[in-house]
Amino acid sequence: GAGVSQSPSNKVTEKGKDVELRCDPISGHTALYWYRQSLGQGLEFLIYFQGNSAPDKSGLPSDRFSAERTGGSVSTLTIQRTQQEDSAVYLCASSLSQGWPQHFGDGTRLSIL
Amino acid sequence: KQEVTQIPAALSVPEGENLVLNCSFTDSAIYNLQWFRQDPGKGLTSLLLIQSSQREQTSGRLNASLDKSSGRSTLYIAASQPGDSATYLCAVRDPLLDMTKIIFGKGTRLHILP
Repeated sequence: GAGVSQSPSNKVTEKGKDVELRCDPISGHTALYWYRQSLGQGLEFLIYFQGNSAPDKSGLPSDRFSAERTGGSVSTLTIQRTQQEDSAVYLCASSLSQGWPQHFGDGTRLSIL
Repeated sequence: KQEVTQIPAALSVPEGENLVLNCSFTDSAIYNLQWFRQDPGKGLTSLLLIQSSQREQTSGRLNASLDKSSGRSTLYIAASQPGDSATYLCAVRDPLLDMTKIIFGKGTRLHILP
């Protein structure tokens, strides 16, 4: 596609529910990144994929968070048993390869009631 | 641990003025530094990228400088316009992190008064 696409754009859910966020990177981009942006905070790195592999999962805040990427393209970020502190904007970015400039999607705004 | 700080957190200036946004980082061993723009409800748009060997980059009315030794970068916006209103983020890529992570500041919210 022309840019990085994320869905849904907004998600409101109850505490304790599981949520799945989707990212469609730019076609041909092998590197994919997930970030979290909380109110008043900077962007927090979550996880990085090179192809379908995630060599760096160090940013995932807890074992409730997981991510996968299939076919070297679409990625999903799953949050299990959501908590109110998970409320944030989740941004996805892709790049041609590791180290190249990243292109960002518009994010998914997640609100946990 | 690399930390990126942006001051001020918010700035309002009249249209037409020139302005400077500041970014500082604690570890001078960076691979590059990037300035982004973020509009409300949107993702990030890359404005300028300065490699560690460079001292400045220019694009239109924007000029970014880098002083690695002092851990500072500035983004200069000339002849500001209301359309420049946005949050400006500074980020560094740390070579020790295998270049996979970008470390962001919290941003400066810029409002240009018409």
